[in-house]
Amino acid sequence: EAGVTQSPTHLIKTRGQQATLRCSPISGHTSVYWYQQALGLGLQFLLWYDEGEERNRGNFPPRFSGRQFPNYSSELNVNALELEDSALDLCASGAPRPQDYNEQFFGPGTRLTVL
Amino acid sequence: RKEVEQDPGPFNVPEGATVAFNCTYSNSASQSFFWYRQDCRKEPKLLMSVYSSGNEDGRFTAQLNRASQYISLLIRDSKLSDSATYLCVVPNSGYSTLTFGKGTMLLVSP
Repeated sequence: EAGVTQSPTHLIKTRGQQATLRCSPISGHTSVYWYQQALGLGLQFLLWYDEGEERNRGNFPPRFSGRQFPNYSSELNVNALELEDSALDLCASGAPRPQDYNEQFFGPGTRLTVL
Repeated sequence: RKEVEQDPGPFNVPEGATVAFNCTYSNSASQSFFWYRQDCRKEPKLLMSVYSSGNEDGRFTAQLNRASQYISLLIRDSKLSDSATYLCVVPNSGYSTLTFGKGTMLLVSP
């Protein structure tokens, strides 16, 4: 069974540009979660999509947005990039709700560098 | 109390040693917990899920103390390949999102 896939693996942008990151969940999973892991910091929750809808977002500014497609893949868009957006952006997928427990499985991440 | 708190370490142990990490959490309503392992510059991988008082999987044992709101991870007979950062993870109410601790680094030496 294929795991969570993400593209690109690395992305280099300059300040002010826009970045688009992509994620495909495990087959059968409908939830996609986005996390940011900046150097030296823990994983910070960004966004949660389920069945095409944004269900929850973390404490990030509106220039972080995304969407989920009918095939449950997802995009994360970051506008007006700032230097501090440099991080490992991780996508995780979870089983369809309702569910008792929330095991999440991570993709390899996109390493975003803002110059 | 912080949402999820872990000792950052590093814990330096020789091969074959037994090592234990603790994690405290603030949300008393949490019902299930997870330990993830993260290697340097890689994605976190699910190591163990803890749904009741504890769970054991080979050399790894996770225990939950709800009264004191802490979870522990015990690793027996440490291997060099166990060197990694171990993340304690607690679901938020409704299980909609997870809160990750900053992790405890383990270094196993020959």
